[in-house]
Amino acid sequence: DAGVIQSPRHEVTEMGQEVTLRCKPISGHNSLFWYRQTMMRGLELLIYFNNNVPIDDSGMPEDRFSAKMPNASFSTLKIQPSEPRDSAVYFCASSAQGRPSGNTIYFGEGSWLTVV
Amino acid sequence: AQSVTQLDSQVPVFEEAPVELRCNYSSSVSVYLFWYVQYPNQGLQLLLKYLSGSTLVKGINGFEAEFNKSQTSFHLRKPSVHISDTAEYFCAVSEGSGSRLTFGEGTQLTVNP
Repeated sequence: DAGVIQSPRHEVTEMGQEVTLRCKPISGHNSLFWYRQTMMRGLELLIYFNNNVPIDDSGMPEDRFSAKMPNASFSTLKIQPSEPRDSAVYFCASSAQGRPSGNTIYFGEGSWLTVV
Repeated sequence: AQSVTQLDSQVPVFEEAPVELRCNYSSSVSVYLFWYVQYPNQGLQLLLKYLSGSTLVKGINGFEAEFNKSQTSFHLRKPSVHISDTAEYFCAVSEGSGSRLTFGEGTQLTVNP
């Protein structure tokens, strides 16, 4: 059973460049989450979707960040333009929210982003 | 709003010693509680969860946790740790089935020989 799949696993980019992170949730899951992990701020929820609709994007740091979920099996997190302070690990996670067996959120392996 | 406090940022222990990682939460409604583990350069793996019922829950790798509603705590324990348990441990809370998690700051457990 495939878990949450993220790509790329590692990305090094120059300041000002556009970065796109991708996520494929677990098949059948209806909720998708993007988290960011940094030493200073720990794990922060950036945005989450339910049934492909953004429910809460209050954690998105600024307009340079955007996320989409065009269908139930794919989501992107885009940073444009990127800045060094965006360097972090970005985790995608999914769950079957509201279902009896859906009380666990499963995480991908993360995308390690370095902006130089 | 919900919040989670992990009382120790670092816990060093010797191999085969017992360990307890402390977690307190705050919420205005009933919650689900979780412990996740993160090994170096890896993602988050679920250790165990409390949803309802028995307040003592057992997870993988010999870990267990006890939900204490009166003290709003969910401490993680293991009677005898191994070198391979060295990792960062995160306590988390959610207010609904499969809904967003709020994480604590994490506790780095280091097991020394």
